[in-house]
Amino acid sequence: SQQGEEDPQALSIQEGENATMNCSYKTSINNLQWYRQNSGRGLVHLILIRSNEREKHSGRLRVTLDTSKKSSSLLITASRAADTASYFCAPIGRTGANSKLTFGKGITLSVRP
Amino acid sequence: EAQVTQNPRYLITVTGKKLTVTCSQNMNHEYMSWYRQDPGLGLRQIYYSMNVEVTDKGDVPEGYKVSRKEKRNFPLILESPSPNQTSLYFCASSRGKSGNTIYFGEGSWLTVV
Repeated sequence: SQQGEEDPQALSIQEGENATMNCSYKTSINNLQWYRQNSGRGLVHLILIRSNEREKHSGRLRVTLDTSKKSSSLLITASRAADTASYFCAPIGRTGANSKLTFGKGITLSVRP
Repeated sequence: EAQVTQNPRYLITVTGKKLTVTCSQNMNHEYMSWYRQDPGLGLRQIYYSMNVEVTDKGDVPEGYKVSRKEKRNFPLILESPSPNQTSLYFCASSRGKSGNTIYFGEGSWLTVV
């Protein structure tokens, strides 16, 4: 099954700083998605980047994709305490796609007020 | 409002007592799946369904059953629960098979004693 591996496992920053989170994967993808999970809640979709895109923005979020390195980064600018959550990447393969999608362990982001 | 609804949200049960966790989505999605989330292990897929009457095993199917008799519903059945099935469970759905946003339920906390 296709699975993303997030890095670092945990990240602690001060409010106002930028947070950079990384994701690596193993096989060719159709697209890659990032999700956020607040403690004990369901995952919420943040952003989707297609395999033919290199960068995408959504508000304070910036996602990059490097298919040659099989990696993606999620940047949260001007972080807020409310950004404290776990973040997961989901690489979606070209065949079978979501069918065998397993999320990684995620990145625990703590934003200190 | 687009929703994936799980019930019950919280349950404490005893070993061997059959239970069903229901999942319903109102988005007419073809694809549905179940995950369990455990500390240090991330989200692991239990079963998934590509459409009505089409189900398949994920990465950790042992001890679980599912059915997909209607498009909107995808119940998770634990025929004889054991303590190692104590976990946080998530139902998810998405449109079609490849690369679309995945919508998650709010989670079901299950404790088996």
